[in-house]
Amino acid sequence: NAGVTQTPKFRVLKTGQSMTLLCAQDMNHEYMYWYRQDPGMGLRLIHYSVGEGTTAKGEVPDGYNVSRLKKQNFLLGLESAAPSQTSVYFCASSLGHEAFFGQGTRLTVV
Amino acid sequence: GENVEQHPSTLSVQEGDSAVIKCTYSDSASNYFPWYKQELGKRPQLIIDIRSNVGEKKDQRIAVTLNKTAKHFSLHITETQPEDSAVYFCAASSGGNKLTFGGGTRVLVKP
Repeated sequence: NAGVTQTPKFRVLKTGQSMTLLCAQDMNHEYMYWYRQDPGMGLRLIHYSVGEGTTAKGEVPDGYNVSRLKKQNFLLGLESAAPSQTSVYFCASSLGHEAFFGQGTRLTVV
Repeated sequence: GENVEQHPSTLSVQEGDSAVIKCTYSDSASNYFPWYKQELGKRPQLIIDIRSNVGEKKDQRIAVTLNKTAKHFSLHITETQPEDSAVYFCAASSGGNKLTFGGGTRVLVKP
């Protein structure tokens, strides 16, 4: 089992560019999440999904969109990247309470 | 929504000493409190958790205590070792499996 896999691991974007981060899990989990991690601020929830075809806003959703067309995949999109979106992004999935995290994507917006 | 505060933000201990990290939460409906450990450059991983119907839980050198009345919970690491050096996050969930994390504590164990 690969667990939770994120693509890509690193990316540098110019302000105004768009991109999509892919999260894939092979544990048949219903719940999936996108967090961003900034120094001193812990992990903040961007968007989450409670099942295929569903999405919901988290704590810091502005500037991001998500889709969950297949149960195993959760996509995070940035339509027009801003320097404030420079961060490490973590995807996670869960069946019960325990969340399993991907390895993270380091995104830099210049 | 839920708000989780975590203290201290950094903690330096001598190898063999104990480390204590404290968290408070705001939502009295929260019923699940996990702790995650994140080593440098790695993903967060669950190390221990506690549910609201339990006051204390131990797993070898780590323990977690919960005070529902005061809405705070703590992580205790005894006999610290260099491999305990990491960032530790507390979290709380009030249902729906959604976790709200504290700001993290960077623990440094000095040999």
